Amino acid sequence: DTEVTQTPKHLVMGMTNKKSLKCEQHMGHRAMYWYKQKAKKPPELMFVYSYEKLSINESVPSRFSPECPNSSLLNLHLHALQPEDSALYLCASKRQTTEISSGANVLTFGAGSRLTVL
Amino acid sequence: AQSVTQLDSHVSVSEGTPVLLRCNYSSSYSPSLFWYVQHPNKGLQLLLKYTSAATLVKGINGFEAEFKKSETSFHLTKPSAHMSDAAEYFCVVRANTGTASKLTFGTGTRLQVTL
Repeated sequence: DTEVTQTPKHLVMGMTNKKSLKCEQHMGHRAMYWYKQKAKKPPELMFVYSYEKLSINESVPSRFSPECPNSSLLNLHLHALQPEDSALYLCASKRQTTEISSGANVLTFGAGSRLTVL
Repeated sequence: AQSVTQLDSHVSVSEGTPVLLRCNYSSSYSPSLFWYVQHPNKGLQLLLKYTSAATLVKGINGFEAEFKKSETSFHLTKPSAHMSDAAEYFCVVRANTGTASKLTFGTGTRLQVTL
């Protein structure tokens, strides 16, 4: 299995709703990432988990709450979002290593969850 | 610190003609460099990567890129464009300084392929 699977593919929510985005990989990768991508822009890093521990939080508002329950799963809990949070949310994973070798530093991305906040 | 500049926000080529997407980088450390492609409403797919081995890197779908340290460039090329190549292309740099280090994305180049 060489994929990162994200669900749902599309999500529409109101500003008072609570929802979650899910990401799953079975490649044995121990680093997992959430990115946010607005239209016609590059992805922006939100969070990085390394060995199931949060290692990077790019000053993301608390209405976004990540969770890594095990080495294969990564969630992004959403609460009280704003319309400007509408975007494509991308999950990615990477084999955790210091090797600068072929394949070691490559992020594998999921297809994304497109979020619309009304 | 690291950064990457994609010199063209939009490139248009005719089908069957060569493709050149330009990328320049800066990095305080020995970098790894990547090209990713994103088709409309899709996630990112790795095209190719440079990780301090051969400077000419071959990727999928006939793409290749050459790492030129003296020019701090990593331009993406393809001899003959196909309609299916129409997509957004991102040049990405990673400083090799640890396991959870971050990628820096360029602003993207939209490739249009016409008949």
